[in-house]
Amino acid sequence: EAGVAQSPRYKIIEKRQSVAFWCNPISGHATLYWYQQILGQGPKLLIQFQNNGVVDDSQLPKDRFSAERLKGVDSTLKIQPAKLEDSAVYLCASSLEFEYEQYFGPGTRLTVT
Amino acid sequence: RKEVEQDPGPFNVPEGATVAFNCTYSNSASQSFFWYRQDCRKEPKLLMSVYSSGNEDGRFTAQLNRASQYISLLIRDSKLSDSATYLCVVRGYSTLTFGKGTMLLVSP
Repeated sequence: EAGVAQSPRYKIIEKRQSVAFWCNPISGHATLYWYQQILGQGPKLLIQFQNNGVVDDSQLPKDRFSAERLKGVDSTLKIQPAKLEDSAVYLCASSLEFEYEQYFGPGTRLTVT
Repeated sequence: RKEVEQDPGPFNVPEGATVAFNCTYSNSASQSFFWYRQDCRKEPKLLMSVYSSGNEDGRFTAQLNRASQYISLLIRDSKLSDSATYLCVVRGYSTLTFGKGTMLLVSP
């Protein structure tokens, strides 16, 4: 079974630029999550989708971050404009339903200079 | 008080040692609990769920005390391959909160 796919794996941008990350969850998984993990910290949930609807985006900085999950499958997370403090690993995870085990993708390591 | 708090690390132990990690959570309505393992520069992976009666998986034992809002993970007979960061995870009605993690370094 293929795992959660993410791209790109690495990205370096300058502050005030825009960036987008892509996630393809495990086939059939209804729930998709985006996390931000800053070095030395645990993952912080940014947004959670159930199919193509948003369940929780309370910790998403909506002035600069946006996410969508069209057709309830793939998802993109965008940052516009980026700040230095956005440097982190962005992890995508999926689960069959909310109460089931989450499977994480390899993450996208973002460096903002 | 932070939602999920873990022992600050790192823990440095020799091979064969027994090590225990502690975790406390603030929301008494939390529903389920997990330990995840994260290797350096890798994604987190589920190690084990934590059940009220306590549960064991080989060398790993997890305990939950709902009254004290406390979770623990015990690793017996540590192996070099156990070196990783251990994340305590708490699930509420619709949210999942990760602790900061505790790093374990097992040396020969």
